[in-house]
Amino acid sequence: AQTVTQSQPEMSVQEAETVTLSCTYDTSESDYYLFWYKQPPSRQMILVIRQEAYKQQNATENRFSVNFQKAAKSFSLKISDSQLGDAAMYFCAYRSEGNNRLAFGKGNQVVVIP
Amino acid sequence: GAGVSQSPSNKVTEKGKDVELRCDPISGHTALYWYRQSLGQGLEFLIYFQGNSAPDKSGLPSDRFSAERTGGSVSTLTIQRTQQEDSAVYLCASSLDGQGALEQYFGPGTRLTVT
Repeated sequence: AQTVTQSQPEMSVQEAETVTLSCTYDTSESDYYLFWYKQPPSRQMILVIRQEAYKQQNATENRFSVNFQKAAKSFSLKISDSQLGDAAMYFCAYRSEGNNRLAFGKGNQVVVIP
Repeated sequence: GAGVSQSPSNKVTEKGKDVELRCDPISGHTALYWYRQSLGQGLEFLIYFQGNSAPDKSGLPSDRFSAERTGGSVSTLTIQRTQQEDSAVYLCASSLDGQGALEQYFGPGTRLTVT
């Protein structure tokens, strides 16, 4: 089974500043997908961004971008111009090609300081 | 359109009792997933349904756990003879199908507390 590791359980960032969350994963596969999900206190998981492993270009969604390093098996999330609404738990997730389930890390708590 | 809904939102039960958790996926989604989120942990896969295919039950932690999906839509997760370690948030998700980078849409979860 794939292992997804997120260090730094809690990160604090000043409003309007940038924060980067790290994620590493363990796999022997070449085709797979990576995701960052946000979980606010409402508990509902919301997809923030996704990356296909066959794509070299890093995904970007507005203020959210990733740094995907396939050889290093690293998939970090950068949140730019942080807003109060970004405060939440962020989970990194892995899904292999031909499989259906998501394997999640333990999450990073992001605190945004006004 | 409506998202994934789950009921009840919270459930408190006594050790040894059976519980049923319900999930209504997004209309038209053929894939349905159940995950468990224990306190301070990430999500743990439990079971996956895809259309009329046999479900992938490989994540169920014990034979006290079972799930069914009737008519390819609503799903029920049943936990028999609940134990305190079953206390967690149970999240349901659905997607158009089970392939590739398709987004899994999550419901708000059911928080189960076993006393």
